[in-house]
Amino acid sequence: QSALTQPASVSGSPGQSITISCTGVTSDIGGYNYVSWYQQHPGKAPKLMIYDVSNRPSGVSNRFSGSKSGNTASLTISGLQAEDEADYYCGSYTSTSTLGVFGSGTKVTVL
Amino acid sequence: EVQLVESGGDLVQPGGSLRLSCEASGFVFSRYWMSWIRQAPGKGLERVANIRQDGVESYYVDSVKGRFTISRDNTENSLYLQMNDLRAEDTAVYFCARRQLGAADTSDFWGQGTLVTVSS
Repeated sequence: QSALTQPASVSGSPGQSITISCTGVTSDIGGYNYVSWYQQHPGKAPKLMIYDVSNRPSGVSNRFSGSKSGNTASLTISGLQAEDEADYYCGSYTSTSTLGVFGSGTKVTVL
Repeated sequence: EVQLVESGGDLVQPGGSLRLSCEASGFVFSRYWMSWIRQAPGKGLERVANIRQDGVESYYVDSVKGRFTISRDNTENSLYLQMNDLRAEDTAVYFCARRQLGAADTSDFWGQGTLVTVSS
């Protein structure tokens, strides 16, 4: 199962909005609404930020939002803050594996 | 508060074995699928194995089939990963993660990870 495709890096200034894309195929992102997003700070465990495309777990800031169009899912971070600097991974259910699939990861830099 | 605490990571020679443990607390462990997810140094995430609530059903990524075994003890609220015939490419931080109820292949809580290094 190939990893979902994410840009290697995205950057923005404090207060700005950035969007991270996650591209798959019809057997994963395109066919199901089971896309998740994870934030990982260096040396720490990943943290679930978005599930089922656009739902936020309790305690996650509403500056984080998710969406999907066709085979591509997106995570938008609005009002970018220094603490948002981290790696972000998307994940999806896939009909071709019982283990799901993760994206390649995107490093977000706050300028 | 949900907590997952892994242990057992170590430096091991190629061909060696290791058993990872994950102690769960703060939730009803027996109600959840659980996963082991690994991250090689500087690399992305890879779900290695899943196990059903009752421990009867489990799944593995192709690269570890026949070498790794996931298991659980619901009476001890613990998850395990027996790793045999270890290879250099198994070097990674291994995370224990809970699969969110009703959300396919979504891990809603993760442990802090335990480092496995396979090297001579």
